[in-house]
Amino acid sequence: EVQLVESGGGLVQPGGSLRLSCAASGLTFSSYAMTWVRQAPGKGLEWVSTISSSGDRIYDADSVKGRFTISRDNSKNTLYLQVNSLRAEDTAVYYCAKVLSTMRDYYYYMDVWGTGTTVTVSS
Amino acid sequence: QSALTQPASVSGSPGQSITISCTGTSSDVGGYNYVSWYQQHPGKAPKLMIYGVSKRPSGISDRFSGSKSGNTASLTISGLQAEDEADYYCSSYTSSTSFAVFGGGTKLTVL
Repeated sequence: EVQLVESGGGLVQPGGSLRLSCAASGLTFSSYAMTWVRQAPGKGLEWVSTISSSGDRIYDADSVKGRFTISRDNSKNTLYLQVNSLRAEDTAVYYCAKVLSTMRDYYYYMDVWGTGTTVTVSS
Repeated sequence: QSALTQPASVSGSPGQSITISCTGTSSDVGGYNYVSWYQQHPGKAPKLMIYGVSKRPSGISDRFSGSKSGNTASLTISGLQAEDEADYYCSSYTSSTSFAVFGGGTKLTVL
């Protein structure tokens, strides 16, 4: 069974930083692109960032460009999201998700999701 | 404001069919066949229900179907069941950002 487990969330002051992690098991992690999606309290889903299987291609939402950095360590089956210069509007549950297939056309579909880690930005 | 527009809520009785719309532009829904739908129960992670406009992942009931006409995609759920009550989100590739965007979500209530 494929499992994704996020960690690293917490309470942080505006302007602060965190590194979110997503540990993957039950799949050939290095074969799949991975994505971070967030959901603010009581709000809808927002795509944040996607990284290719090898890490050589990265796609970021405009709202996080220059502040958030997605990366991966295929030797550790782990996905990361470095979040810097945090703002109140970054408060959300952050989900990591696996894309549906190894083919590029399937990067837009996420078929396995973690349970999320909560980031709260407040003074 | 989300780039894709969904109704805030829809409702139906058990056994009935409902349709949720997702309206975009020629830069996203209308221009590409990269539309997907997710179901999310309260406090849970989203679940992929439809991809590529009308394809179902393995294990998804054929009561769920997807379609597209022009700039509007639709999710139809037939034979409504109590467990279908959830939030539903559409998503599409968009040339505006060269990646994906979600709709604002639709709350489905099974009466």
